Amino acid sequence: GDSVTQMEGPVTLSEEAFLTINCTYTATGYPSLFWYVQYPGEGLQLLLKATKADDKGSNKGFEATYRKETTSFHLEKGSVQVSDSAVYFCALSSDSNYQLIWGAGTKLIIKP
Amino acid sequence: SQTIHQWPATLVQPVGSPLSLECTVEGTSNPNLYWYRQAAGRGLQLLFYSVGIGQISSEVPQNLSASRPQDRQFILSSKKLLLSDSGFYLCAWSVEIPTPEQYFGPGTRLTVT
Repeated sequence: GDSVTQMEGPVTLSEEAFLTINCTYTATGYPSLFWYVQYPGEGLQLLLKATKADDKGSNKGFEATYRKETTSFHLEKGSVQVSDSAVYFCALSSDSNYQLIWGAGTKLIIKP
Repeated sequence: SQTIHQWPATLVQPVGSPLSLECTVEGTSNPNLYWYRQAAGRGLQLLFYSVGIGQISSEVPQNLSASRPQDRQFILSSKKLLLSDSGFYLCAWSVEIPTPEQYFGPGTRLTVT
């Protein structure tokens, strides 16, 4: 079945460092891909999305490109801030579109 | 614009007591609705989803149940809570067109003592 694999965390970086959080997927068909962010004690927020191959989603300085050839959707940011500390989830839409298939989440810690 | 509400925000309940968590969505019609549970430091576990009034699909066997009495209302219940029911409960909604992303509520922190 469809699945999402994220790099294990926590990922610890210094402020202004470059961020990459890896996400790869296995899917039949042509899913949409998503990144969500969860700040401590809060619900998840949609960070960005891409609906077809080679699409680039972007928001708040974060970017991710839908790479069908490598089945990847890696999250990147050029210069992280302490306020980016959170858990990041990668997800894909299932064939039915009723459900999302979730990665396990990657905790990001940014130190000043 | 659409908004999603959950209450209560936090809840402490003894083992064996009943549970009722409520979720309502505003600003959209006939959404798909979801209940997730998140254990401390863990990922998301889908518990139930609903594509319409009275239509509930269960993803995992448990002592929880869900109901959808109105189009934009989703309720999570239990007759007798277990210690293992402790966690962070999240409600979400989606529509399939144009894209199926889900939008989450603020969550309910449940501690069973």
